[in-house]
Amino acid sequence: QLQLQESGPGLVKPSETLSLTCSVSGGSISSSNYYWGWIRQPPGKGLEWIGSIYYSEKTYYNPSLKSRVTISVDTSKNQFSLKLSSVTAADTAVYYCAKHPKVFGVVSSPFDYWGQGTLVTVSS
Amino acid sequence: DIQMTQSPSTLSASVGDRVTITCRASQSISSWLAWYQQKPGKAPKLLIYKASSLESGVPSRFSGSGSGTDFTLTISSLQPDDFATYYCQQYKSFALTFGGGTKVEIK
Repeated sequence: QLQLQESGPGLVKPSETLSLTCSVSGGSISSSNYYWGWIRQPPGKGLEWIGSIYYSEKTYYNPSLKSRVTISVDTSKNQFSLKLSSVTAADTAVYYCAKHPKVFGVVSSPFDYWGQGTLVTVSS
Repeated sequence: DIQMTQSPSTLSASVGDRVTITCRASQSISSWLAWYQQKPGKAPKLLIYKASSLESGVPSRFSGSGSGTDFTLTISSLQPDDFATYYCQQYKSFALTFGGGTKVEIK
């Protein structure tokens, strides 16, 4: 059974860089069958896709966040990571990591496995 | 980006009711649409993919329909466990986008 678990600081200062890691168990981060993604949800609000990475090579980012986001994979640790720079209070949210399948002939896919989420607050 | 608009934003219903939630895309997304259920403090759960395909393990009272720009999620007979917030998501393009959500409340 695939499991994902987010980890990282729960409090980040304005203008600094938010860094989160997603540890994957029950499956290989190196699989060519999956994308690995990040989604966030501000308190009381809806879901926003941040970005996804495929096979440690190809990254896809939300155009509204692209200039501040980096997603990378560490195959040795079976983890993938999110870095969001120059954060403001508007970046306060629950951050989820998730998996979505790579399907031949389809641009993307829905998220079928999610982590439990981690709350990151941006405040001085 | 493809914008996704859900309606209503809140829905009050009773156990046993038939419930319908709609989702509209700002341009055609063919059938590349998913529906999720989210309960407070929990991650979203995939219910429906490709507009009408039921994810494994999801009760058959949930169904999805539509193509192009207009989609619906129907719960045929609302159960106590179904009171939650529901989101649609398009995956036609890799600027993935979600609808604003529909909260299903107890009437």
